[in-house]
Amino acid sequence: AQSVSQHNHHVILSEAASLELGCNYSYGGTVNLFWYVQYPGQHLQLLLKYFSGDPLVKGIKGFEAEFIKSKFSFNLRKPSVQWSDTAEYFCAVTPSGNTGKLIFGQGTTLQVKP
Amino acid sequence: EAGVAQSPRYKIIEKRQSVAFWCNPISGHATLYWYQQILGQGPKLLIQFQNNGVVDDSQLPKDRFSAERLKGVDSTLKIQPAKLEDSAVYLCASSSRGPTNEKLFFGSGTQLSVL
Repeated sequence: AQSVSQHNHHVILSEAASLELGCNYSYGGTVNLFWYVQYPGQHLQLLLKYFSGDPLVKGIKGFEAEFIKSKFSFNLRKPSVQWSDTAEYFCAVTPSGNTGKLIFGQGTTLQVKP
Repeated sequence: EAGVAQSPRYKIIEKRQSVAFWCNPISGHATLYWYQQILGQGPKLLIQFQNNGVVDDSQLPKDRFSAERLKGVDSTLKIQPAKLEDSAVYLCASSSRGPTNEKLFFGSGTQLSVL
């Protein structure tokens, strides 16, 4: 069965620190990969996505993620976090045939201390 | 543009009672999804509609859960009878189903507590 694993449940960083959130997926075929973010009190929203092409994708608010096919990974990075990045981050994967059927990881709560 | 609307925002019921959630997707979005998010877990797809037809309901517990989207616009998800393990946030999402640019827009969800 397809699955997504996020390595960290809870991450605490100080402002200006660098961020890397790990995500690994289990699926044998071609996939599309996503990172969604949920800010406190808000709904889930798309941060970035990978469908094909350059494995390094850039999203909103300075976030980027790198797809490494050989490692089945899609890690999220940001060079310098801000207090406003405090949120829950979800990695998700879909098989190419049904790009709406998201399979989510369990989420990582990021707390950024001012 | 207006987002995905869901109601109610919160619902508390006792086990074995029934409950219904409503969702109005973004205007013009053909695809509608219901996800269940249990505390501490990521959302899990329950059912996916394309217009008023079901695309995928493989993870919907059909003995107690039902969903409909009769006119291809808004949708209702029902649980009857509810169990304690149904306590979760029920998220509705919609998408325009573009060819290579699938992006889901989520509503704020309905938080269900089953006592």
